[in-house]
Amino acid sequence: NAGVTQTPKFQVLKTGQSMTLQCAQDMNHNSMYWYRQDPGMGLRLIYYSASEGTTDKGEVPNGYNVSRLNKREFSLRLESAAPSQTSVYFCASSELGGGGQETQYFGPGTRLLVL
Amino acid sequence: RKEVEQDPGPFNVPEGATVAFNCTYSNSASQSFFWYRQDCRKEPKLLMSVYSSGNEDGRFTAQLNRASQYISLLIRDSKLSDSATYLCVVNNYGGSQGNLIFGKGTKLSVKP
Repeated sequence: NAGVTQTPKFQVLKTGQSMTLQCAQDMNHNSMYWYRQDPGMGLRLIYYSASEGTTDKGEVPNGYNVSRLNKREFSLRLESAAPSQTSVYFCASSELGGGGQETQYFGPGTRLLVL
Repeated sequence: RKEVEQDPGPFNVPEGATVAFNCTYSNSASQSFFWYRQDCRKEPKLLMSVYSSGNEDGRFTAQLNRASQYISLLIRDSKLSDSATYLCVVNNYGGSQGNLIFGKGTKLSVKP
């Protein structure tokens, strides 16, 4: 099993450009998450999907949209990138999505630089 | 905002040393507690869950004190390979479903 995979690994954007970060998991998990990690800030939840067909905002959703394409895939879109969105983005998944009771498995991350 | 506080370190210790990390959390309703490990430029990975009675996994011991709202991680006989950042993680009970709150991490560097 590959676990959680993310593409791309690294991306440079200019301010105002758009892009979609892809995430897929092969563990048959119900819940998927997008986090960003900034120096000195820790991991912060952007959006999550408790199950296929549902998505909800996390702590820092502004400037992002998500799509739960199917049970395996959860994408994160930046419609108009800003320098403040320079960060490392992690996708994660968990089996049941029951209120943070269980382990989350993380992908390797996407490093995004917005100029 | 519900928060998880950790000493950022770095903790610089020699091989074989015993090192302890503490973490405090503000949401008294939290029910799930974890320690994750994150290597430099890698993703976080679960190190261990923390149970009310305390639990041990080899050289690692985790303790929970609900009354004081703090969690600890003890590493005995430190190895070079233990060098990493250790994240204290608490579920945000009463907040969004599936919402974990991550501490900023404590960096450990084990020297030969």
